[in-house]
Amino acid sequence: AQSVTQPDIHITVSEGASLELRCNYSYGATPYLFWYVQSPGQGLQLLLKYFSGDTLVQGIKGFEAEFKRSQSSFNLRKPSVHWSDAAEYFCAVGNINKLVFGAGTILRVKS
Amino acid sequence: GAVVSQHPSRVICKSGTSVKIECRSLDFQATTMFWYRQFPKQSLMLMATSNEGSKATYEQGVEKDKFLINHASLTLSTLTVTSAHPEDSSFYICSVTVAGAADTQYFGPGTRLTVL
Repeated sequence: AQSVTQPDIHITVSEGASLELRCNYSYGATPYLFWYVQSPGQGLQLLLKYFSGDTLVQGIKGFEAEFKRSQSSFNLRKPSVHWSDAAEYFCAVGNINKLVFGAGTILRVKS
Repeated sequence: GAVVSQHPSRVICKSGTSVKIECRSLDFQATTMFWYRQFPKQSLMLMATSNEGSKATYEQGVEKDKFLINHASLTLSTLTVTSAHPEDSSFYICSVTVAGAADTQYFGPGTRLTVL
């Protein structure tokens, strides 16, 4: 069965510090992997996606993620966090017919 | 990516009434539209998938007579919550895939439904 685990429910980082949000997945084949961000009361915005090729993918707003097949992981990173990055982040895995989402990680940024 | 709108953004209704939520793809024709439900502090759960002119495919456990989906055109899908009850209160989000980018879902801003 497909599943996505985001181990951290909340993460707090200082503005300017680096960030890594963890995502582990279980999927029967090579998955499509996504990271979305959701601000309070809003829909989801696509940050980046991985389908194949280079395992390090660049996204919007300075985010990147690395696909590691051996670890079944797709962690999201940002070298320097801005206060506006405070939001909830969802990792998702699937194909064109269905996405399975993780439970989300709430990012708080302290000044 | 595709721009997706939802209307209304927020609705409050009385128990027993029906509520219609619209999802529109504004700049692309949507090959497929998806409806999700998100409970407070939880992740998104897929409710159903719909293609224009076809009956929606509902996920296990989702009552198709309760949540009516109409995909009338390539840019519009509606979700009607029939005989709404307080337990139907939730955040409903739609997403679309578009031709040429069928591997990525683009999400609407969501509709907050509160049933009194």
